[in-house]
Amino acid sequence: GENVEQHPSTLSVQEGDSAVIKCTYSDSASNYFPWYKQELGKRPQLIIDIRSNVGEKKDQRIAVTLNKTAKHFSLHITETQPEDSAVYFCAARSGNTPLVFGKGTRLSVIA
Amino acid sequence: DSGVTQTPKHLITATGQRVTLRCSPRSGDLSVYWYQQSLDQGLQFLIQYYNGEERAKGNILERFSAQQFPDLHSELNLSSLELGDSALYFCASSVQSGNTGELFFGEGSRLTVL
Repeated sequence: GENVEQHPSTLSVQEGDSAVIKCTYSDSASNYFPWYKQELGKRPQLIIDIRSNVGEKKDQRIAVTLNKTAKHFSLHITETQPEDSAVYFCAARSGNTPLVFGKGTRLSVIA
Repeated sequence: DSGVTQTPKHLITATGQRVTLRCSPRSGDLSVYWYQQSLDQGLQFLIQYYNGEERAKGNILERFSAQQFPDLHSELNLSSLELGDSALYFCASSVQSGNTGELFFGEGSRLTVL
């Protein structure tokens, strides 16, 4: 089955700097890669997703890139703000299988 | 508010006991997923139901079972509880099984086994 590795497990950045979180997946058939944000004590929420026919997708300060050949995808957050502090999860899915999540990255944005 | 309702929000029980967690999916969503979130273990997929039938099984222990009822709500039953079962249990729903769309998570049920 699919296996998703996520790095780093913790990340601290200064407010205004960029943050990058990387994930690798094992199943070459995976075709859907979402990112979820979980604030402290709250539920995970989708922030951006990308499908395998696209290499990059951007939504304001966040962007996701996908390299199918290398089987890795990344989340980029620019101009970080304190409210970006949260745990971020990457995930992957192939076909009809359920989402497999990485173990999460705890991002702290220091004001 | 995601539209997914989970009860109870918190539950404290003793080892060896049995508990039931309940989930009502968003209106119109046919698929329900259960995930377990423990410290440093991310979101572990347990089981998925689609329109009343089991669709996929993940790392769910034999002591755990689930079902989805005709009104589409789902229950996760955890029995012979152990200390290691303490975790946050999330239910999520989506419109269809296996589509590439969004999973909507409930607020979770935090289980503490003493």
